[in-house]
Amino acid sequence: EVQLVQSGAEVKKPGESLKISCKGSGYSFTSYWIGWVRQMPGKGLEWMGIIYPGDSDTRYSPSFQGQVTISADKSISTAYLQWSSLKASDTAMYYCARQPAPWAGHGMDVWGQGTTVTVSS
Amino acid sequence: DIQMTQSPSSLSASVGDRVTITCRASQSISSYLNWYQQKPGKAPKLLIYAASSLQSGVPSRFSGSGSGTDFTLTISSLQPEDFATYYCQQSYSTSVTFGQGTKLEIK
Repeated sequence: EVQLVQSGAEVKKPGESLKISCKGSGYSFTSYWIGWVRQMPGKGLEWMGIIYPGDSDTRYSPSFQGQVTISADKSISTAYLQWSSLKASDTAMYYCARQPAPWAGHGMDVWGQGTTVTVSS
Repeated sequence: DIQMTQSPSSLSASVGDRVTITCRASQSISSYLNWYQQKPGKAPKLLIYAASSLQSGVPSRFSGSGSGTDFTLTISSLQPEDFATYYCQQSYSTSVTFGQGTKLEIK
């Protein structure tokens, strides 16, 4: 079964760092892009960025460039989203999703279950 | 960024109705348009990719059309499980963007 399994919910304080993960299984992890999507409470979907684990080619939305870092470790089929200094406004659900060929007409076809991040003093 | 505008933002309909949701891009995106369904507390689900291709496993009552700047998602006969929020997404530019969503509610 093709699946993406994300790490568990996090509760952090402003200024703390955080790295959440997304582990792929059931397919060739290095052959598909993995994207990250934010959903703030009660709001819509926001595309944050995407990585190709095969060569670590990474693209960011201008809205998130410099605010987060996307990385991947292909040896363990895992992608990451990290923050160096969290803000209260980072409180949201974060999804990872697989995308076969982002700029060739393919959508995000497999999604993780989501990771809730709560940032509060 | 390419802006994606969906209409309506919300919609009330009955089981069996035919429903159409529109998505407009701020510039031409060819056919690089995807549609997703999201139910409360769940991850989004891909319905349509490349404007009109039905994702495997998605019921045939869902269809998509359009190219350039104007796109539509049509549900031919609403079923109880279709009440959800729908999002369009452009993957034409390097910076992918979603529409703001359309909430489909039971009348």
